[in-house]
Amino acid sequence: ELKVEQNPLFLSMQEGKNYTIYCNYSTTSDRLYWYRQDPGKSLESLFVLLSNGAVKQEGRLMASLDTKARLSTLHITAAVHDLSATYFCAVGNTGNQFYFGTGTSLTVIP
Amino acid sequence: EAGVVQSPRYKIIEKKQPVAFWCNPISGHNTLYWYRQNLGQGPELLIRYENEEAVDDSQLPKDRFSAERLKGVDSTLKIQPAELGDSAVYLCASSGDGFFLEQYFGPGTRLTVT
Repeated sequence: ELKVEQNPLFLSMQEGKNYTIYCNYSTTSDRLYWYRQDPGKSLESLFVLLSNGAVKQEGRLMASLDTKARLSTLHITAAVHDLSATYFCAVGNTGNQFYFGTGTSLTVIP
Repeated sequence: EAGVVQSPRYKIIEKKQPVAFWCNPISGHNTLYWYRQNLGQGPELLIRYENEEAVDDSQLPKDRFSAERLKGVDSTLKIQPAELGDSAVYLCASSGDGFFLEQYFGPGTRLTVT
């Protein structure tokens, strides 16, 4: 079974600061997803990364994928309070099975 | 475009009672997933359908859980009888054809078993 680990599990950061969330996975995968979940709400798709070296950016969030290292990062630039949420990475395999990480709970402090 | 619809949004039942959740995926999406999300954890796949066929139900506790997807559209997930440990959020997601397989999630059903 594919294992997906995220770190940190909890992140408290001040507005305006930068930080990176890491997602490691245990076996070869050809696709990686990042989702956002607000408290009591469902998951919202942020990024889909399909190839080694893929980089995608949306606003203050940038995601990258290194398939050789089995690592994806979600970089937050100049955090604002609206980014407070839980962020999940999910890895898909060739059997179309998806495995989610445990999530990173982000709190941005004014 | 309408998103994934789930009902009910909340359900409180006593243990040993049955419960059912309903999901209507995005129109045209052939793949439908049911996940269970425990508090503070990521979603865990219970079952995946391709049209009407359940192609991955390896994580579905078959002694008490059942699911169906009639006509390859709506789906129902049932628990009978419910146990205290079944308290969780049950999420339905759907995806279309193609390599991306990006999943779109419904709002979920929060189940509390007392």
